[in-house]
Amino acid sequence: EVQLLESGGGLVQPGGSLRLSCAASGFTFSSHAMSWVRQVPGRGLEWVSAISGPGSTIYYADTVKGRFTISRDNSKNTLYLQMHSLRAEDTAVYFCAGKRDTTPFEYWGQGTLVTVSS
Amino acid sequence: DIVMTQSPDSLAVSLGERATINCKSSQSVLYRSNNKNHLAWYQQKPGQPPKLLIYWASTRESGVPDRFSGGGSGTDFTLTISSLQAEDVAVYYCHQHHSDPVTFGQGTKLEIK
Repeated sequence: EVQLLESGGGLVQPGGSLRLSCAASGFTFSSHAMSWVRQVPGRGLEWVSAISGPGSTIYYADTVKGRFTISRDNSKNTLYLQMHSLRAEDTAVYFCAGKRDTTPFEYWGQGTLVTVSS
Repeated sequence: DIVMTQSPDSLAVSLGERATINCKSSQSVLYRSNNKNHLAWYQQKPGQPPKLLIYWASTRESGVPDRFSGGGSGTDFTLTISSLQAEDVAVYYCHQHHSDPVTFGQGTKLEIK
């Protein structure tokens, strides 16, 4: 059974930092590109960042470029998102999602809530 | 960036009736190398992650009931539920994975009339 389990969310003050993790199981993690997708409660889906299977190719949305860093450890089947200089508008549920080369996101975690507030 | 625009924003349909959701992309999402439309549909229920329903614009994901169907090509797509069931109440999103950054429609909230 495929599982993606996010952790690391919580309440952080504006300007603060947080590191999210996503533990994967049930599929060949290193063969899947992984992304972080966020959703403000009650709103739509926004792609945040993506990393290729080997970790050699990385993309960021303009809204987080320079503040967030995506990485992965294929030996631990884990995806990360290091978030710095957090803003109120970064408040959202953050999902990790997996896909193969030319497919849409097949696998999704349950999400972890990040709240940026003083 | 490819902008995905769904219509309507919300929809109320009677049980057993047909529901149709439209999605328009600002650029074609037809991938020349495989002649497939890189357009997917997701269903999201409250408190849950999105669930993949349809990919390549018209291919149902394994386990998805056959009352769900997708159509269209290029820039115009539809998701149709042929006979609405109570469990279909959800928000539906179209999604293009043709070009980076991948993008989603704003969502269509489907309710029972």
